[in-house]
Amino acid sequence: KNEVEQSPQNLTAQEGEFITINCSYSVGISALHWLQQHPGGGIVSLFMLSSGKKKHGRLIATINIQEKHSSLHITASHPRDSAVYICAGYMDSNYQLIWGAGTKLIIKP
Amino acid sequence: DAEITQSPRHKITETGRQVTLACHQTWNHNNMFWYRQDLGHGLRLIHYSYGVQDTNKGEVSDGYSVSRSNTEDLPLTLESAASSQTSVYFCASSESAGSNEQFFGPGTRLTVL
Repeated sequence: KNEVEQSPQNLTAQEGEFITINCSYSVGISALHWLQQHPGGGIVSLFMLSSGKKKHGRLIATINIQEKHSSLHITASHPRDSAVYICAGYMDSNYQLIWGAGTKLIIKP
Repeated sequence: DAEITQSPRHKITETGRQVTLACHQTWNHNNMFWYRQDLGHGLRLIHYSYGVQDTNKGEVSDGYSVSRSNTEDLPLTLESAASSQTSVYFCASSESAGSNEQFFGPGTRLTVL
């Protein structure tokens, strides 16, 4: 069974810290989708990547195809970054996503 | 701007009633998906469609149905609502093969009493 695993499950940090959330996946997944969900809020797509690195503002996503691993980094973290971050593996075979369990991030002022 | 909308945003209903949740997208995407999100389970796929007249069952499809009569809409119907179907429902869409990022609607919070 294809799987996507995230770590850590929960992360609390101080404002300004550099944040890293990890995602490991198995074969059959051709791209990784990073999404953000604020408490009680909708789900927002952050990145979709199949190789290399993507950057948007203070967010950086990287993927290592050989190691089947992706990371989401947040630089100069801020309390408004507090949210659940979810990675999902994209299955080329059926256009579906295999979901990670999510990482709950809390940034304290 | 293209978008994906869901209605209603909140719904309270009684056990046994039929309920339909609407999903409408203006991205002109071929693929549309319905998920439910519950504490401890994350997102689970209910039904999906790859185009008009195409529908497929996901991992938790029992008690739900969908129909796709046009590109823009994929309504989700609960034939006879059960308390176990109390959840937050998200609709998503993506282009066909080659662009696989999914875009999500704002969600519908459904309570079945």
